[in-house]
Amino acid sequence: QSVLTQPPSVSAAPGQKVTISCSGSTSNIGQSFVSWYQQLPGTAPKVLIYEDSDRPSGIPDRISGSKSGTSATLNINEVQTGDEADYYCGAWDNGLDTGVFGGGTKLTVL
Amino acid sequence: QVHLQESGPGLVKPSETLSLTCTVSGDSMNTHYWSWIRQPPGKGLEWIGYIYYTGTTKYNPSHKGRVTILIDRSKKQFSLSLTSVTAADTAVYYCAREHTTIDHWGPGTLVTVSS
Repeated sequence: QSVLTQPPSVSAAPGQKVTISCSGSTSNIGQSFVSWYQQLPGTAPKVLIYEDSDRPSGIPDRISGSKSGTSATLNINEVQTGDEADYYCGAWDNGLDTGVFGGGTKLTVL
Repeated sequence: QVHLQESGPGLVKPSETLSLTCTVSGDSMNTHYWSWIRQPPGKGLEWIGYIYYTGTTKYNPSHKGRVTILIDRSKKQFSLSLTSVTAADTAVYYCAREHTTIDHWGPGTLVTVSS
């Protein structure tokens, strides 16, 4: 069981918006930066969002992140078939003194 | 451009020690944290630990003292040792560069624990 909680799956039609939630606690999301990672099938994860809401260069602005209290959200606007992947949130947990991840959310583009 | 590449045996016997090396290019390794993360087949990500360029380490307590991470900046490498392995340690192991996020990952290497 993961320290951070994500829905196992979400789905959307091409062009629609999808939201993925990540719920934690005061010891992790509540006091640490959140990152979001995309993992395409058979590949290593890639960072999409860091420090709650910043995008690395090369990540399109239709992808955004936000945080409120002990929860974080990843938004993907104008979903494309190429967005089909597993998405993970991650943060540092000051209570456990370790990095923690969500269990991952599989995005299916219908 | 920063690249990381894992290397090591793909098969380890139960109760033995898993040893992996990560070779870094495109970075002097004079900053950042250098991390290991693993992913059991069909499952999610698990953070194992990191070593700072100064040699300071931090490990996931769930591994109960079985983990050691070392760094050799002259060779641009850092390593992972995991002792007393069981089938539960079968996973794809990733090495990565970390600061406030994990911004560069190696492609990963599958390690299977089996007799």
